[in-house]
Amino acid sequence: AQSVTQLDSQVPVFEEAPVELRCNYSSSVSVYLFWYVQYPNQGLQLLLKYLSGSTLVESINGFEAEFNKSQTSFHLRKPSVHISDTAEYFCAVSDGYGAGGTSYGKLTFGQGTILTVHP
Amino acid sequence: GAVVSQHPSRVICKSGTSVKIECRSLDFQATTMFWYRQFPKQSLMLMATSNEGSKATYEQGVEKDKFLINHASLTLSTLTVTSAHPEDSSFYICSASLAGPSTDTQYFGPGTRLTVL
Repeated sequence: AQSVTQLDSQVPVFEEAPVELRCNYSSSVSVYLFWYVQYPNQGLQLLLKYLSGSTLVESINGFEAEFNKSQTSFHLRKPSVHISDTAEYFCAVSDGYGAGGTSYGKLTFGQGTILTVHP
Repeated sequence: GAVVSQHPSRVICKSGTSVKIECRSLDFQATTMFWYRQFPKQSLMLMATSNEGSKATYEQGVEKDKFLINHASLTLSTLTVTSAHPEDSSFYICSASLAGPSTDTQYFGPGTRLTVL
C-alpha cells in the first residue's frame, strides 16, 4: 500500500519569497512521484514528475522538486514566488506497472497544500 | 497536447435520478482512464480504473452498481451515477493515461460538479 503525507495544509508567503511545500511518501515498491497544481475553479494540471534518472526535476515555471529516497520525500520548491502561483498543490505517488498490470498508473494523492502568495 | 474534457461541467439533479458524465481524451488514445471523487477541502480519492473494452476495477468501498463505468473506446469513458442521493453530491474528476512503458502520467479533466437536491 502507498500513502502520501503533505505536512502543511496551508502555506502563506509574500511575493518574491522562497517557498517549500513538503511531501513524504511511503511505498513498498519503486515509485513514480508527481506534483499537480489546481488553480481556483480549474482541474488538476501536472506540474512536474519524477520517473527515473536525475533526482532533481524542474517545471517550466520555476518550480523544482527533489526525490530523496532515503528520506522518502519529494519536496517542491521555488526560489521566488509570484501572485499567480496561488493555488492548491497536490503531491501524488504511483507504483507504475503492478503485477500483471493491474495497478497501472494508480495514483495516491496527498491531502493538498494551499499556497497563498500575498503582495 | 494531452487534453482531457468532461461533460457536463456542472449538473443539478433530483434525488433518485441518474446522471451520466462523459470523459474524453481529445488528442490522444487512452488505454486507461480513471475516475476520482473530490470532497470540499479534501484530496482526490480514486473510485475506479477503467480499461478500454473491459470491466472497470473499483476501489474498496465504491459501489459498482451505483457508479456505472463504461469505457467503450480509446477516447471515451462514462460514469453514470444511478439513483443519485444528496450524499453523492461531489466533484467528479476523470483522468486519462497515455499508454506506453516509459511514461506513467495521467492527464486530468476539468471536473464535473454534481449537486443532488
